[in-house]
Amino acid sequence: RKEVEQDPGPFNVPEGATVAFNCTYSNSASQSFFWYRQDCRKEPKLLMSVYSSGNEDGRFTAQLNRASQYISLLIRDSKLSDSATYLCVVTTRGGGFQKLVFGTGTRLLVSP
Amino acid sequence: DAGVTQSPTHLIKTRGQQVTLRCSPKSGHDTVSWYQQALGQGPQFIFQYYEEEERQRGNFPDRFSGHQFPNYSSELNVNALLLGDSALYLCASSVEGNTEAFFGQGTRLTVV
Repeated sequence: RKEVEQDPGPFNVPEGATVAFNCTYSNSASQSFFWYRQDCRKEPKLLMSVYSSGNEDGRFTAQLNRASQYISLLIRDSKLSDSATYLCVVTTRGGGFQKLVFGTGTRLLVSP
Repeated sequence: DAGVTQSPTHLIKTRGQQVTLRCSPKSGHDTVSWYQQALGQGPQFIFQYYEEEERQRGNFPDRFSGHQFPNYSSELNVNALLLGDSALYLCASSVEGNTEAFFGQGTRLTVV
């Protein structure tokens, strides 16, 4: 079983739609949680951190449920520029330091 | 302020050859992590360097080795290249104790 699991998609949505991505993680000791965005053939870039209290950044809302080991990302009013792969990321601690563990990513295609 | 820089951006090698990839971390960052991203997959952790030492290794064979220099820059070496080593190799830099990581644009390695 992968440490971080995501639906690979693709999710095809029209402009203006609301879309939600989900992610589950297996290591209950995971400490920090993030969503990264990766454009085609580019490097991942941090989109937002995820907290149990939920956090919102403009059209983007992220939520963490530690009990269910579940992370979500909601995108409202989708734009063409939102088309990308969204990577769910958790940090795990080992040997006194933390490393990032990535899901396979969920691909989003927003069409006119 | 330059971000994380990697070189070269693209590389084509023949099976059995050796390759060295380079990474300069973001200014002020002292920790460098390397990831391998195969097509359609999320980045996989290779290893991390701090204070010129390898701190932890992911599930990669000894053909993968690295080094960190006193100026915090790092190299990733891969010996006896296999076709399956073809991937995007990403370098991420961070500050010790801080989970926020910044990625370079990656080196796309093709083994033929």
